Amino acid sequence: DAKTTQPNSMESNEEEPVHLPCNHSTISGTDYIHWYRQLPSQGPEYVIHGLTSNVNNRMASLAIAEDRKSSTLILHRATLRDAAVYYCILRRGNSGAGSYQLTFGKGTKLSVIP
Amino acid sequence: SQTIHQWPATLVQPVGSPLSLECTVEGTSNPNLYWYRQAAGRGLQLLFYSVGIGQISSEVPQNLSASRPQDRQFILSSKKLLLSDSGFYLCAWRRGEAYEQYFGPGTRLTVT
Repeated sequence: DAKTTQPNSMESNEEEPVHLPCNHSTISGTDYIHWYRQLPSQGPEYVIHGLTSNVNNRMASLAIAEDRKSSTLILHRATLRDAAVYYCILRRGNSGAGSYQLTFGKGTKLSVIP
Repeated sequence: SQTIHQWPATLVQPVGSPLSLECTVEGTSNPNLYWYRQAAGRGLQLLFYSVGIGQISSEVPQNLSASRPQDRQFILSSKKLLLSDSGFYLCAWRRGEAYEQYFGPGTRLTVT
């Protein structure tokens, strides 16, 4: 499976935008880019996903580079509740019914400063 | 709406004792089910997944096993726990070919 590289940690001030980078230089054409986040002592939570085009939802935006070798998760206004570990994951699009394996790395620990 | 339950929330077990963790999903039918483990300071590791009753696929060979006796029930077991089995165990489900996977609250297992 293609690998992702993320910074170990980042800090942001409350109510400011946050840009969380992810490098995936060995991504293949059928790999989807998924982002999940995990609050302390909780299970991961789906944030957003995309393939080629930028995506927006109520939680965040996903900006995908034209060559797809990197992407950025954008939180438009960080709140204290956004403090979590953010995982960037590649999922093979043709993995077949049922497997849908998500390989979680160590992610980026985001701290939000009041 | 769909809900996923896991119990117990925390568990302390001695080495060599058996283990049974249960996961149930409400509000959906024929979900794909997953067991993950997160060791301290590490990422999540997929242990098992199931696409239907009685159908289990193992991703990592170990002394753990999984079973799916009912459509929305997924059980993780061990006959004899090892110290290395300590961790945060998470159950997750996915509807058909949907993109999102939904995780339960987890069970924190400490093997002493």
